[in-house]
Amino acid sequence: DIQLTQSPSFLSASVGDRVTITCRASQDIRNYLAWYQQEPGKAPKLLIYTASILQSGVPSRFSGSGSGTEFTLTISSLQPEDFATYYCQQRNSYPITFGQGTRLDIK
Amino acid sequence: EVQLVESGGGLVQPGGSLRLSCAASGFTFNNYWMSWVRQAPGKGLEWVASIKPDGSQGLYVDSVKGRFTISRDNAKNSLHLQMNSLRAEDTSVYYCAKLRDSSTIFDYWGQGTLVTVSS
Repeated sequence: DIQLTQSPSFLSASVGDRVTITCRASQDIRNYLAWYQQEPGKAPKLLIYTASILQSGVPSRFSGSGSGTEFTLTISSLQPEDFATYYCQQRNSYPITFGQGTRLDIK
Repeated sequence: EVQLVESGGGLVQPGGSLRLSCAASGFTFNNYWMSWVRQAPGKGLEWVASIKPDGSQGLYVDSVKGRFTISRDNAKNSLHLQMNSLRAEDTSVYYCAKLRDSSTIFDYWGQGTLVTVSS
């Protein structure tokens, strides 16, 4: 199975900050990576797929990059509604796997 | 508007069975792969199972193979997960999710239904 390791696991930041979350895969997954946002008590929401394609309706302050084994999610200027948990997910091969999550808290 | 509404969760004893359902609307259900993804309390996301648009093939994570069965009724726009031989470690919120195109990208999610396995 492909393992995804996110770093950091916890992140404290302020409104307006630029933040970056990294996802590392245990083997080459080409660009078959997606990012999701999950607010407390809610279902996950797709943000980015195929490493860098923004899902319709997602603000442009979110961006993704990477290929192979290293990927990043960047939020250019944090807004209050962005404080949530973020997960990466690989779709290169079954079983589909997720990273352990990065919780983004308000400083 | 795509809507996915899960039902069927609840408290069940270890070794028991439960059947989850997901009512889908707002898209052509029989054109898309569908999945179940779960989340244990305070933990991360775990893919459980996926099913082809015509229902002819189901794929499962190893930990549920032989115990869980994913199925669908395209005439009723519904997805199901039959869960047998339940264990404490199956306790989770179970989400129904639609897959984007023919990929394994989860573009829409239901609100989830909680399954608690406990004596």
